[in-house]
Amino acid sequence: AQTVTQSQPEMSVQEAETVTLSCTYDTSESDYYLFWYKQPPSRQMILVIRQEAYKQQNATENRFSVNFQKAAKSFSLKISDSQLGDAAMYFCAYRWRKGFKTIFGAGTRLFVKA
Amino acid sequence: DADVTQTPRNRITKTGKRIMLECSQTKGHDRMYWYRQDPGLGLRLIYYSFDVKDINKGEISDGYSVSRQAQAKFSLSLESAIPNQTALYFCATAYSESGELFFGEGSRLTVL
Repeated sequence: AQTVTQSQPEMSVQEAETVTLSCTYDTSESDYYLFWYKQPPSRQMILVIRQEAYKQQNATENRFSVNFQKAAKSFSLKISDSQLGDAAMYFCAYRWRKGFKTIFGAGTRLFVKA
Repeated sequence: DADVTQTPRNRITKTGKRIMLECSQTKGHDRMYWYRQDPGLGLRLIYYSFDVKDINKGEISDGYSVSRQAQAKFSLSLESAIPNQTALYFCATAYSESGELFFGEGSRLTVL
């Protein structure tokens, strides 16, 4: 069975600094998607970034980038130039390309200090 | 207006009551999902559906039922609510190939 593990329940970063959130996953499949979702206090779930496993290049979206290590089954999220609005719960998620279910990690709550 | 709309946004009820959470979408997606969020557990899948005739159980379907009334509507019911069903519930949709989920704003349910 596929699993997603986020080992950091909470993280803290100073405004304008860089922070990395960790995620590991377990799967026997080779073709899948990985995601990072953000949940601010409004509780709305927002897609931050998506990685397709067959693409070796790491995905980036403005200040957000990932370090995708397929062999190690690792998918970390780096937030550069952290802003107060980045404070949120972040969820790592996995979906097999031919599957129908998205599996989520337990989440990492990020605090941003002014 | 939101593309995925959930009602109610918040609800407090008593043990044993029947509760229905409703979800409607204007995205035209075929796939619809109900997830439950609990602190420290992330989001867990309750039910999912590909069309009105195709309903599937997720990992935590016990105590819940669903109805896909139309392509755009997917309701979650708690026939007899119990306190450990207190949680934040999300409806989500997906286009078959894109991979990502599009979420409603969540329904916070408290069972006393």
